Amino acid sequence: GDSVTQMEGPVTLSEEAFLTINCTYTATGYPSLFWYVQYPGEGLQLLLKATKADDKGSNKGFEATYRKETTSFHLEKGSVQVSDSAVYFCALSKIYNQGGKLIFGQGTELSVKP
Amino acid sequence: KAGVTQTPRYLIKTRGQQVTLSCSPISGHRSVSWYQQTPGQGLQFLFEYFSETQRNKGNFPGRFSGRQFSNSRSEMNVSTLELGDSALYLCASSLGQGLRYEQYFGPGTRLTVT
Repeated sequence: GDSVTQMEGPVTLSEEAFLTINCTYTATGYPSLFWYVQYPGEGLQLLLKATKADDKGSNKGFEATYRKETTSFHLEKGSVQVSDSAVYFCALSKIYNQGGKLIFGQGTELSVKP
Repeated sequence: KAGVTQTPRYLIKTRGQQVTLSCSPISGHRSVSWYQQTPGQGLQFLFEYFSETQRNKGNFPGRFSGRQFSNSRSEMNVSTLELGDSALYLCASSLGQGLRYEQYFGPGTRLTVT
């Protein structure tokens, strides 16, 4: 079945360091891809998305490019801040049984130290 | 515009009991989805409702059920609770069905089964 695999955490970085969180997917057809972020005690917030191959999603300094040839959607940020500390989820979405659903990776916890 | 609200935020139940969780979507949103989040299994899709009809269902036992009302509010019910049902239950709403509609998540209901 369709699935998403993320690099395991926790990832610990110093402020202003470069961030990469790897995400690969397995899916038939043409899924849309997403990155969600979850801050402690909160629900999920959409960070960015890409709906077709070679699309680049970007938001708040984060970027990810939909690479169909490598089935990847890696999250990057050039300079992380303490406030970026959170759990990041990669997800895909397709139409299933006339509806849609999100399939999530296991999540990667990011901790940024001052 | 108010976000997705979920009630209650925290709940403690005993094994064998049943529980009902409530979700009020963003005004104007007609689709509601439910997800279960646990440390072991991560985020898993439970079901999706659109216009009071269940459009999609995840791989959960029949003890998990839901419904959607004419005002798009949704409830999910878990009967005969088991210890493994302890989780954060997240509700997400979107304007409609399909991949172009972004899902907005609520803060979740933390269910603890003792």
